[in-house]
Amino acid sequence: GAVVSQHPSWVICKSGTSVKIECRSLDFQATTMFWYRQFPKQSLMLMATSNEGSKATYEQGVEKDKFLINHASLTLSTLTVTSAHPEDSSFYICSARGKTTGSRNIQYFGAGTRLSVL
Amino acid sequence: GIQVEQSPPDLILQEGANSTLRCNFSDSVNNLQWFHQNPWGQLINLFYIPSGTKQNGRLSATTVATERYSLLYISSSQTTDSGVYFCAGGDIPTFGRGTSLIVHP
Repeated sequence: GAVVSQHPSWVICKSGTSVKIECRSLDFQATTMFWYRQFPKQSLMLMATSNEGSKATYEQGVEKDKFLINHASLTLSTLTVTSAHPEDSSFYICSARGKTTGSRNIQYFGAGTRLSVL
Repeated sequence: GIQVEQSPPDLILQEGANSTLRCNFSDSVNNLQWFHQNPWGQLINLFYIPSGTKQNGRLSATTVATERYSLLYISSSQTTDSGVYFCAGGDIPTFGRGTSLIVHP
């Protein structure tokens, strides 16, 4: 199946710093990428949807200036948590949906990034 | 938006037992998928099943699109099946709250 690579898998940072998370589709072109946030023992909450070459669409309640999303190419999307604070600590997961017929409707997920802000 | 309800929320099984997980949608959905999240957080796609029945080894899934529900069957469960099972659907996928499964040896 298709592979989505997400890095880093774990990051610890000081309060006030910014953290960038990368999401790459390795063997297919991703027309749409999704960024989710998951709190312990809870479901995945969609933060934003991004399409290649256009601005991300953020869900209600998600601060676009706080969580910067860039979908620069058909294989790469990045999420930058700016001026991180302890309440931003969470598990962030990206997923990608493909361009070709075979992968168009299926979501493939990265392994997730566990962010801890001290 | 679409509401997704999953049941049961928690499930504890003895190894070898069978189980059925259910997913109800408030409206018609496309792109219906079942996922397994392992204890390390990795989400694995189990089935893309907007309608009909599919089988993959000990797992199978059935979606009745006209009645807006989907079922995931796990047969002869193993300890490695433990984790959280999610269903999701819609053009912008909405996830249910998941079923947490623990399989004891």
